[in-house]
Amino acid sequence: EAGVVQSPRYKIIEKKQPVAFWCNPISGHNTLYWYRQNLGQGPELLIRYENEEAVDDSQLPKDRFSAERLKGVDSTLKIQPAELGDSAVYLCASSLKEASNTEAFFGQGTRLTVV
Amino acid sequence: QKEVEQDPGPLSVPEGAIVSLNCTYSNSAFQYFMWYRQYSRKGPELLMYTYSSGNKEDGRFTAQVDKSSKYISLFIRDSQPSDSATYLCAARSGGYNKLIFGAGTRLAVHP
Repeated sequence: EAGVVQSPRYKIIEKKQPVAFWCNPISGHNTLYWYRQNLGQGPELLIRYENEEAVDDSQLPKDRFSAERLKGVDSTLKIQPAELGDSAVYLCASSLKEASNTEAFFGQGTRLTVV
Repeated sequence: QKEVEQDPGPLSVPEGAIVSLNCTYSNSAFQYFMWYRQYSRKGPELLMYTYSSGNKEDGRFTAQVDKSSKYISLFIRDSQPSDSATYLCAARSGGYNKLIFGAGTRLAVHP
């Protein structure tokens, strides 16, 4: 069974440019998460989806970040415009709703560098 | 103060050593405690999961939670070079609340 798939793996952009990340969760997983992991830090939740509904986006910087999960499967996370401080690894994770986020499976992440 | 504190290391040990990794937390509402392993340029993978206080063993790994002192530990016996990774502790309260991660401890096991 395929795990959580993210693309691209790496992205380098200039500040003020837009960028988008894509995530395909494990088949059948209703819950999808986007985390940001800064260098030398643990992941921090940005947004959690239950199917297509964003149920926790309290940590998402809504002035420049947006996310969507159309049809409750794949998800995209967008930053516009990007700032230098957005350089980080963006991780997508998914879990069965019943298992809660203690059993979330993570993708390999997208490493974003803003120059 | 962060809700979950973890010494970033790095920790370097010889192969075969017993490794002790530790975290402290401040939120008394935390009930679920996890250890994730993260290899370089990979996503975290769940290693151990513990509910409330007590010990849990899985092969060479033992997770320990002491809620009275708000202390979380992971012990690795007979450490192997393949155990070299960053170990992240995480915790959450009951219900459907988000995981709070520690900063991670980088472990290097040398042959």
